Amino acid sequence: LAKTTQPISMDSYEGQEVNITCSHNNIATNDYITWYQQFPSQGPRFIIQGYKTKVTNEVASLFIPADRKSSTLSLPRVSLSDTAVYYCRGRDDKIIFGKGTRLHILP
Amino acid sequence: DSGVTQTPKHLITATGQRVTLRCSPRSGDLSVYWYQQSLDQGLQFLIQYYNGEERAKGNILERFSAQQFPDLHSELNLSSLELGDSALYFCASSVGSLGGGTDTQYFGPGTRLTVL
Repeated sequence: LAKTTQPISMDSYEGQEVNITCSHNNIATNDYITWYQQFPSQGPRFIIQGYKTKVTNEVASLFIPADRKSSTLSLPRVSLSDTAVYYCRGRDDKIIFGKGTRLHILP
Repeated sequence: DSGVTQTPKHLITATGQRVTLRCSPRSGDLSVYWYQQSLDQGLQFLIQYYNGEERAKGNILERFSAQQFPDLHSELNLSSLELGDSALYFCASSVGSLGGGTDTQYFGPGTRLTVL
């Protein structure tokens, strides 16, 4: 049975780079790892997705090692508006979301 | 705005009652997913429909059921409600049926259900 594990919370300061790691064992071999951002009282919003190695878009980077047992979301130069809950998502025979990491950005 | 709509936004009801939550997917999306998010809990996947047929089942209780109609909107029915069913219920949609893979899910704003 697949499971995803991520830190419950993290604090950082504006302008810093933030890395959030998710451990995911037994995910499907053909599954992509996806990260979402959620603000209070809103639905989760897609951030980035990858299968292996590194993916970068205008918002974040995603690092996935060759064994695909973990992934790291990297947010460059965070701002106060990046304060949110971040979820990693994987899949075995059903969709598995982590419990989320509450990121709090301090001025 | 993700393009996914959910109604109602808020719902307050009593234990033992039955409610129906509605979701309209983004234009062109064939898959609809339902999730439950309780206080301080992550997202629990309930069920997925693809083009009218059930595709995957998660932690959905027997008291809950869903369906997807020919126009692709979906309804989640919750019956014999208990206090513990109070939660945010999200619907998401995607183009394909994989659920994982590269198929990005777009989430609606959610329905907040309060059972008193």
